[in-house]
Amino acid sequence: KQEVTQIPAALSVPEGENLVLNCSFTDSAIYNLQWFRQDPGKGLTSLLLIQSSQREQTSGRLNASLDKSSGRSTLYIAASQPGDSATYLCAVGGSGAGSYQLTFGKGTKLSVIP
Amino acid sequence: KAGVTQTPRYLIKTRGQQVTLSCSPISGHRSVSWYQQTPGQGLQFLFEYFSETQRNKGNFPGRFSGRQFSNSRSEMNVSTLELGDSALYLCASSPALAGAGPDTQYFGPGTRLTVL
Repeated sequence: KQEVTQIPAALSVPEGENLVLNCSFTDSAIYNLQWFRQDPGKGLTSLLLIQSSQREQTSGRLNASLDKSSGRSTLYIAASQPGDSATYLCAVGGSGAGSYQLTFGKGTKLSVIP
Repeated sequence: KAGVTQTPRYLIKTRGQQVTLSCSPISGHRSVSWYQQTPGQGLQFLFEYFSETQRNKGNFPGRFSGRQFSNSRSEMNVSTLELGDSALYLCASSPALAGAGPDTQYFGPGTRLTVL
């Protein structure tokens, strides 16, 4: 059974700082890995999707890496802004009973202090 | 394109009642998945539907069920509600094109269910 862990559970940084969020997973037989953002009381917004054959993906100030063999992914946020404050979720896409499903970590709650 | 929509956005029910939640996927998307989010357990996979068939089911009791219609809209039903069913229920859709691998899931805003 796939298990996904995110460290730290919460993080507070001053505006402008670069930061890294960590995600680890137990089963390397994955299709892909996705990073999401969730604002309080809201649904999920997809940030980056990394296919199992890829090593990283970039979008603006965000860069996600994937090391499938070690079961790790990182989300790098450059020059953080107060608007980046949210919970960041890592989700591993794998096969469950023959179809695709996401297994989520419990998230890292990020606060960017102006 | 319009995003994934879920109705209602908020629901309050009492123990023992049943509830039906609705999800309309992005136009053209054929796969719909449901997830439950609670503070203690986080986000957990409930089930996935494709072409009106349930393809996959998570580890939830039989009180949780769902269905998908020919237009890809989906409903989930929870019978005999328990206090522990209070959660945010999220629906996600994906294109699920023939011959294509797994792809990005797009999430709706969720339905917040409170069981009293």
